[in-house]
Amino acid sequence: GENVEQHPSTLSVQEGDSAVIKCTYSDSASNYFPWYKQELGKRPQLIIDIRSNVGEKKDQRIAVTLNKTAKHFSLHITETQPEDSAVYFCAAITLSGGSYIPTFGRGTSLIVHP
Amino acid sequence: DAGVIQSPRHEVTEMGQEVTLRCKPISGHNSLFWYRQTMMRGLELLIYFNNNVPIDDSGMPEDRFSAKMPNASFSTLKIQPSEPRDSAVYFCASSLNGANTEAFFGQGTRLTVV
Repeated sequence: GENVEQHPSTLSVQEGDSAVIKCTYSDSASNYFPWYKQELGKRPQLIIDIRSNVGEKKDQRIAVTLNKTAKHFSLHITETQPEDSAVYFCAAITLSGGSYIPTFGRGTSLIVHP
Repeated sequence: DAGVIQSPRHEVTEMGQEVTLRCKPISGHNSLFWYRQTMMRGLELLIYFNNNVPIDDSGMPEDRFSAKMPNASFSTLKIQPSEPRDSAVYFCASSLNGANTEAFFGQGTRLTVV
Protein backbone atom coordinates (compact mmCIF):
# COMPACT_ATOMS: atom_id res chain seq x y z
CA GLY A 1 0.00 0.00 0.00
CA GLU A 2 0.86 3.65 -0.09
CA ASN A 3 3.38 5.06 2.38
CA VAL A 4 3.66 8.80 2.99
CA GLU A 5 6.61 10.27 4.87
CA GLN A 6 6.44 13.84 6.15
CA HIS A 7 9.18 16.11 7.48
CA PRO A 8 9.84 17.88 9.73
CA SER A 9 7.64 16.77 12.59
CA THR A 10 8.00 20.17 14.24
CA LEU A 11 8.79 23.52 12.68
CA SER A 12 9.29 26.74 14.59
CA VAL A 13 9.58 30.07 12.73
CA GLN A 14 9.38 33.77 13.41
CA GLU A 15 6.42 35.73 12.12
CA GLY A 16 7.12 36.85 8.57
CA ASP A 17 9.47 33.98 7.77
CA SER A 18 8.70 31.23 5.28
CA ALA A 19 7.88 27.65 6.22
CA VAL A 20 8.40 24.56 4.08
CA ILE A 21 7.01 21.10 4.76
CA LYS A 22 8.07 18.15 2.62
CA CYS A 23 6.44 14.81 1.87
CA THR A 24 7.37 11.74 -0.11
CA TYR A 25 5.12 8.95 -1.28
CA SER A 26 5.74 5.43 -2.50
CA ASP A 27 2.93 4.54 -4.92
CA SER A 28 3.59 5.98 -8.36
CA ALA A 29 -0.13 5.52 -9.16
CA SER A 30 -1.12 8.20 -6.63
CA ASN A 31 -2.37 11.23 -8.51
CA TYR A 32 -3.96 13.64 -6.07
CA PHE A 33 -2.21 15.30 -3.15
CA PRO A 34 -4.22 17.35 -0.66
CA TRP A 35 -2.88 19.27 2.32
CA TYR A 36 -4.87 19.62 5.51
CA LYS A 37 -4.54 22.07 8.39
CA GLN A 38 -5.63 21.05 11.86
CA GLU A 39 -5.94 23.74 14.49
CA LEU A 40 -5.80 22.76 18.13
CA GLY A 41 -8.85 20.74 19.13
CA LYS A 42 -10.41 20.94 15.68
CA ARG A 43 -10.85 18.73 12.65
CA PRO A 44 -8.38 18.57 9.75
CA GLN A 45 -9.53 20.80 6.90
CA LEU A 46 -8.31 21.02 3.33
CA ILE A 47 -6.28 24.13 2.58
CA ILE A 48 -4.83 23.37 -0.84
CA ASP A 49 -4.39 20.43 -3.20
CA ILE A 50 -2.48 19.54 -6.33
CA ARG A 51 -3.17 17.06 -9.08
CA SER A 52 -0.59 14.97 -10.85
CA ASN A 53 -0.77 16.89 -14.12
CA VAL A 54 0.36 20.08 -12.40
CA GLY A 55 3.81 20.91 -11.03
CA GLU A 56 2.91 23.89 -8.88
CA LYS A 57 -0.16 25.63 -7.49
CA LYS A 58 -0.43 28.83 -5.50
CA ASP A 59 -3.16 30.37 -3.38
CA GLN A 60 -2.20 33.68 -1.78
CA ARG A 61 0.53 32.88 0.78
CA ILE A 62 0.35 29.12 0.28
CA ALA A 63 1.92 27.14 -2.55
CA VAL A 64 2.41 23.47 -3.28
CA THR A 65 4.90 21.83 -5.60
CA LEU A 66 4.90 18.30 -6.96
CA ASN A 67 7.71 16.27 -8.49
CA LYS A 68 6.17 13.04 -9.77
CA THR A 69 9.45 11.63 -10.95
CA ALA A 70 10.98 11.90 -7.51
CA LYS A 71 7.65 11.21 -5.80
CA HIS A 72 7.79 14.17 -3.49
CA PHE A 73 5.64 17.21 -2.86
CA SER A 74 5.98 20.24 -0.64
CA LEU A 75 3.93 22.93 1.06
CA HIS A 76 5.31 26.46 1.17
CA ILE A 77 3.89 29.17 3.40
CA THR A 78 5.28 32.67 2.95
CA GLU A 79 5.00 35.64 5.31
CA THR A 80 3.88 33.39 8.13
CA GLN A 81 1.46 34.72 10.74
CA PRO A 82 0.64 33.47 14.24
CA GLU A 83 -2.70 32.15 12.97
CA ASP A 84 -0.79 29.79 10.69
CA SER A 85 0.23 27.86 13.83
CA ALA A 86 -1.34 24.41 13.51
CA VAL A 87 -0.60 20.82 12.53
CA TYR A 88 -0.32 20.31 8.78
CA PHE A 89 -0.88 16.95 7.12
CA CYS A 90 0.00 15.93 3.61
CA ALA A 91 -1.85 13.08 1.92
CA ALA A 92 -1.66 10.98 -1.21
CA ILE A 93 -4.76 9.49 -2.77
CA THR A 94 -4.45 5.96 -4.10
CA LEU A 95 -6.93 3.62 -5.72
CA SER A 96 -7.37 0.49 -3.63
CA GLY A 97 -10.17 -2.04 -3.80
CA GLY A 98 -12.25 0.23 -5.98
CA SER A 99 -11.97 3.11 -3.50
CA TYR A 100 -9.79 6.20 -3.51
CA ILE A 101 -8.02 6.17 -0.16
CA PRO A 102 -6.21 9.10 1.48
CA THR A 103 -3.00 8.04 3.18
CA PHE A 104 -1.71 10.74 5.51
CA GLY A 105 1.73 11.75 6.62
CA ARG A 106 2.46 11.92 10.35
CA GLY A 107 1.90 15.66 10.47
CA THR A 108 4.04 18.76 11.05
CA SER A 109 3.42 20.98 14.03
CA LEU A 110 4.08 24.54 12.83
CA ILE A 111 4.65 27.19 15.46
CA VAL A 112 4.82 30.81 14.37
CA HIS A 113 6.27 33.12 17.02
CA PRO A 114 5.03 36.71 16.99
CA ASP B 1 -25.32 20.19 4.58
CA ALA B 2 -24.03 20.30 8.16
CA GLY B 3 -20.95 18.33 7.24
CA VAL B 4 -19.82 15.06 8.77
CA ILE B 5 -21.39 14.67 12.20
CA GLN B 6 -19.86 12.58 14.93
CA SER B 7 -21.12 11.75 18.38
CA PRO B 8 -20.30 11.91 21.14
CA ARG B 9 -17.67 14.68 21.08
CA HIS B 10 -16.12 13.39 24.26
CA GLU B 11 -16.33 10.00 25.92
CA VAL B 12 -14.79 8.93 29.20
CA THR B 13 -15.23 5.31 30.11
CA GLU B 14 -13.77 2.70 32.38
CA MET B 15 -11.52 -0.03 31.13
CA GLY B 16 -13.52 -3.06 30.05
CA GLN B 17 -16.61 -1.12 29.04
CA GLU B 18 -18.06 -1.11 25.55
CA VAL B 19 -17.73 2.12 23.59
CA THR B 20 -19.71 3.04 20.49
CA LEU B 21 -18.77 5.97 18.31
CA ARG B 22 -21.21 7.27 15.72
CA CYS B 23 -20.86 9.03 12.39
CA LYS B 24 -23.23 10.59 9.89
CA PRO B 25 -21.46 11.27 6.57
CA ILE B 26 -22.26 14.08 4.18
CA SER B 27 -25.34 13.25 2.15
CA GLY B 28 -24.41 11.84 -1.25
CA HIS B 29 -20.91 10.78 -0.25
CA ASN B 30 -20.26 7.13 -0.93
CA SER B 31 -16.92 6.59 0.81
CA LEU B 32 -16.52 6.65 4.58
CA PHE B 33 -13.32 6.37 6.59
CA TRP B 34 -12.56 5.89 10.26
CA TYR B 35 -9.23 7.29 11.50
CA ARG B 36 -7.55 7.23 14.90
CA GLN B 37 -5.28 10.12 15.85
CA THR B 38 -2.57 9.92 18.51
CA MET B 39 0.57 11.92 19.10
CA MET B 40 2.73 8.88 18.52
CA ARG B 41 1.17 7.52 15.34
CA GLY B 42 -0.57 10.47 13.72
CA LEU B 43 -3.68 9.74 11.64
CA GLU B 44 -4.12 5.99 11.23
CA LEU B 45 -6.73 4.61 8.84
CA LEU B 46 -8.71 1.95 10.69
CA ILE B 47 -11.32 0.94 8.12
CA TYR B 48 -13.11 2.31 5.10
CA PHE B 49 -16.44 1.67 3.41
CA ASN B 50 -17.48 2.16 -0.18
CA ASN B 51 -21.24 2.22 -0.83
CA ASN B 52 -21.78 0.92 2.72
CA VAL B 53 -19.57 -2.11 2.14
CA PRO B 54 -16.40 -2.54 4.24
CA ILE B 55 -13.51 -2.65 1.79
CA ASP B 56 -10.43 -2.89 3.99
CA ASP B 57 -10.28 -3.29 7.76
CA SER B 58 -6.61 -4.19 7.94
CA GLY B 59 -6.00 -1.05 9.97
CA MET B 60 -8.23 -2.18 12.80
CA PRO B 61 -5.80 -2.81 15.62
CA GLU B 62 -7.48 -5.79 17.25
CA ASP B 63 -10.60 -7.92 17.28
CA ARG B 64 -11.90 -5.66 20.02
CA PHE B 65 -12.58 -3.11 17.29
CA SER B 66 -15.50 -3.47 14.90
CA ALA B 67 -17.28 -1.13 12.51
CA LYS B 68 -20.58 -1.20 10.67
CA MET B 69 -22.37 0.88 8.10
CA PRO B 70 -26.00 -0.30 7.98
CA ASN B 71 -27.01 2.43 5.53
CA ALA B 72 -25.59 5.35 3.56
CA SER B 73 -26.18 7.84 6.36
CA PHE B 74 -24.83 6.09 9.44
CA SER B 75 -21.77 4.26 10.65
CA THR B 76 -20.54 3.04 14.02
CA LEU B 77 -17.16 2.13 15.43
CA LYS B 78 -17.32 -0.11 18.47
CA ILE B 79 -14.62 -1.05 20.95
CA GLN B 80 -15.40 -3.96 23.25
CA PRO B 81 -13.82 -4.25 25.73
CA SER B 82 -12.05 -0.89 25.85
CA GLU B 83 -8.52 -0.48 27.19
CA PRO B 84 -6.54 2.61 28.30
CA ARG B 85 -4.34 2.38 25.19
CA ASP B 86 -7.42 2.97 23.06
CA SER B 87 -7.50 6.56 24.32
CA ALA B 88 -7.24 8.80 21.25
CA VAL B 89 -9.26 11.08 19.01
CA TYR B 90 -11.32 9.12 16.50
CA PHE B 91 -12.26 10.85 13.27
CA CYS B 92 -14.81 9.87 10.70
CA ALA B 93 -14.41 11.28 7.17
CA SER B 94 -16.47 10.98 4.02
CA SER B 95 -15.91 11.71 0.36
CA LEU B 96 -17.30 11.18 -3.11
CA ASN B 97 -15.35 8.20 -4.33
CA GLY B 98 -13.15 9.71 -7.03
CA ALA B 99 -9.55 10.28 -7.96
CA ASN B 100 -9.46 13.97 -7.14
CA THR B 101 -11.93 14.37 -4.34
CA GLU B 102 -11.49 15.84 -0.90
CA ALA B 103 -12.18 13.91 2.29
CA PHE B 104 -14.28 15.88 4.77
CA PHE B 105 -13.69 15.20 8.45
CA GLY B 106 -16.09 15.21 11.34
CA GLN B 107 -15.27 17.03 14.57
CA GLY B 108 -13.90 13.85 16.10
CA THR B 109 -14.62 11.95 19.29
CA ARG B 110 -12.07 12.29 22.07
CA LEU B 111 -12.05 8.95 23.86
CA THR B 112 -10.49 8.53 27.27
CA VAL B 113 -10.39 5.08 28.82
CA VAL B 114 -9.45 5.07 32.50
